[in-house]
Amino acid sequence: GAVVSQHPSRVICKSGTSVKIECRSLDFQATTMFWYRQFPKKSLMLMATSNEGSKATYEQGVEKDKFLINHASLTLSTLTVTSAHPEDSSFYICSAGGGISADTQYFGPGTRLTVL
Amino acid sequence: QKEVEQDPGPLSVPEGAIVSLNCTYSNSAFQYFMWYRQYSRKGPELLMYTYSSGNKEDGRFTAQVDKSSKYISLFIRDSQPSDSATYLCAIKQAGTALIFGKGTTLSVSS
Repeated sequence: GAVVSQHPSRVICKSGTSVKIECRSLDFQATTMFWYRQFPKKSLMLMATSNEGSKATYEQGVEKDKFLINHASLTLSTLTVTSAHPEDSSFYICSAGGGISADTQYFGPGTRLTVL
Repeated sequence: QKEVEQDPGPLSVPEGAIVSLNCTYSNSAFQYFMWYRQYSRKGPELLMYTYSSGNKEDGRFTAQVDKSSKYISLFIRDSQPSDSATYLCAIKQAGTALIFGKGTTLSVSS
């Protein structure tokens, strides 16, 4: 149980385009989902927290207009990287709160974004 | 002082060794303690979850929490090459996001 999927797993796009990443909790309902960014050999950096049906809460330094988050249902959250630039290239990972406890978090497999 | 401190390693051990991974934290308000394993280019996988002081065992893994010392540990018995990964400790308060340690890279050689 407690499986989180992410799609796509890898994406390569041109500079200036937008990319949407989907995160789904497959076997449990997640009232809260989290989006992280991870640079090579670094720990996870929390970008934003989203609650179903409400606006996401962004961490300091994260541009909300650049990283659009939608949490439309208890099993789906999306992250859209708008007008992507090479410096946005990174490993993006979502997690969903729930499962055995509301305070546990289960992570998706991640999406590797490369912006040319 | 950072909220969670974790020695990044790397840590290299021979197959069959007992591995000890540790984290310290600064805020006594933290209530939930987790250990994740992350393989290269994959999302973190939840290994252990606990919210009380003491030990919790699951197979070859034992999580230990000492709230009085603000110290958490993960022990891996009979380590295997497949255990080679980065191990992240994570802590939180109720209703908040996880705070991660930097992760310890473990390599188990056969």
